[in-house]
Amino acid sequence: SQTIHQWPATLVQPVGSPLSLECTVEGTSNPNLYWYRQAAGRGLQLLFYSVGIGQISSEVPQNLSASRPQDRQFILSSKKLLLSDSGFYLCAWRWGAAGNTIYFGEGSWLTVV
Amino acid sequence: QKEVEQDPGPLSVPEGAIVSLNCTYSNSAFQYFMWYRQYSRKGPELLMYTYSSGNKEDGRFTAQVDKSSKYISLFIRDSQPSDSATYLCAYLGGSARQLTFGSGTQLTVLP
Repeated sequence: SQTIHQWPATLVQPVGSPLSLECTVEGTSNPNLYWYRQAAGRGLQLLFYSVGIGQISSEVPQNLSASRPQDRQFILSSKKLLLSDSGFYLCAWRWGAAGNTIYFGEGSWLTVV
Repeated sequence: QKEVEQDPGPLSVPEGAIVSLNCTYSNSAFQYFMWYRQYSRKGPELLMYTYSSGNKEDGRFTAQVDKSSKYISLFIRDSQPSDSATYLCAYLGGSARQLTFGSGTQLTVLP
């Protein structure tokens, strides 16, 4: 079976500090990978998606970046966090091109202070 | 106009009630629709997905798509306190086949 792991689960970071959130998927190969953000009381916003190693597409311009160094690894980063980066970050995956459902990890709560 | 509009709630019902959660969408080309359940501080969990028009039933849950009115619904029969969560409707589409979500409806089932 497939599982998705995301860490850290919770973090509190000062403004201007760097960020690295990591996500790995097990039990599948060549998945489509996604990073979503959910601000308090709001819906989910797609940030980045990747259809393969090194292939990253950004949906929303911001001070965040994403990388996919390995087939089943997806990393969300920032060099300098802003207060507005606070939120719930969710990694998700889908079976390659044919998959019709998307599965989410448990999420990472980020508070920028 | 948002692509997916969802009744924001919050919605509070007594245990055993039938719950109806609703969304409307704007693009008639949408075909795959999903319902996710999200407990507080957890990732969304896929409940059901449907393709095009019609009903799909899974236990106490029924998902319904009406393409003529661009309306999608989730019905929960015999609601339980454990059903208390935020329910998100979504469609699958776009260049990367990503999900576009409604804003979610917060449901509380009172014992």
